[in-house]
Amino acid sequence: KNEVEQSPQNLTAQEGEFITINCSYSVGISALHWLQQHPGGGIVSLFMLSSGKKKHGRLIATINIQEKHSSLHITASHPRDSAVYICAVLTSGTYKYIFGTGTRLKVLA
Amino acid sequence: DSGVTQTPKHLITATGQRVTLRCSPRSGDLSVYWYQQSLDQGLQFLIQYYNGEERAKGNILERFSAQQFPDLHSELNLSSLELGDSALYFCASSVLGQAGELFFGEGSRLTVL
Repeated sequence: KNEVEQSPQNLTAQEGEFITINCSYSVGISALHWLQQHPGGGIVSLFMLSSGKKKHGRLIATINIQEKHSSLHITASHPRDSAVYICAVLTSGTYKYIFGTGTRLKVLA
Repeated sequence: DSGVTQTPKHLITATGQRVTLRCSPRSGDLSVYWYQQSLDQGLQFLIQYYNGEERAKGNILERFSAQQFPDLHSELNLSSLELGDSALYFCASSVLGQAGELFFGEGSRLTVL
């Protein structure tokens, strides 16, 4: 079992839909990152969380430290949101990064 | 533009060769991270440097080495290259030594033939 699990692996949505991507982890962490990787390959950091909730535009990220779970929500999805979303945890103590396998999102117009 | 510069963008070489990938972090960022993204293994953390010192080590092979120079740029050296080393190599930087926001370069695509 991977230390960082993401679901779903693939997701197709219609424009305007509310989208949720989940990340569960089994290690102790200092922080959790949500990353976005576009088809061209570039990676952008969307959020870094250590507790609670953050919002940026149409994106919301939450984390529950006790349950070792984080969610990324996209409201009013748009075709330009089509990308791979990757959850990454920074392990506490060793300060190593472990990545989820990513969620490939396609938003149809 | 993240402010992180990686060179070269593309590199094709042969098995057994050695290559050097270079990363210039954002101005003011003290930490540099190296990651490998291959088709079959996804993103893997290789190594982190903070202000010239190695801070954390991940799944970095013994054939690979890295360093961070006094001007804070970093180099990742890959030697005795194998076909399986073909991947995208990303560099990221952050201000902090840990748990800081990451800024990624565009990556260096290495193809080993």
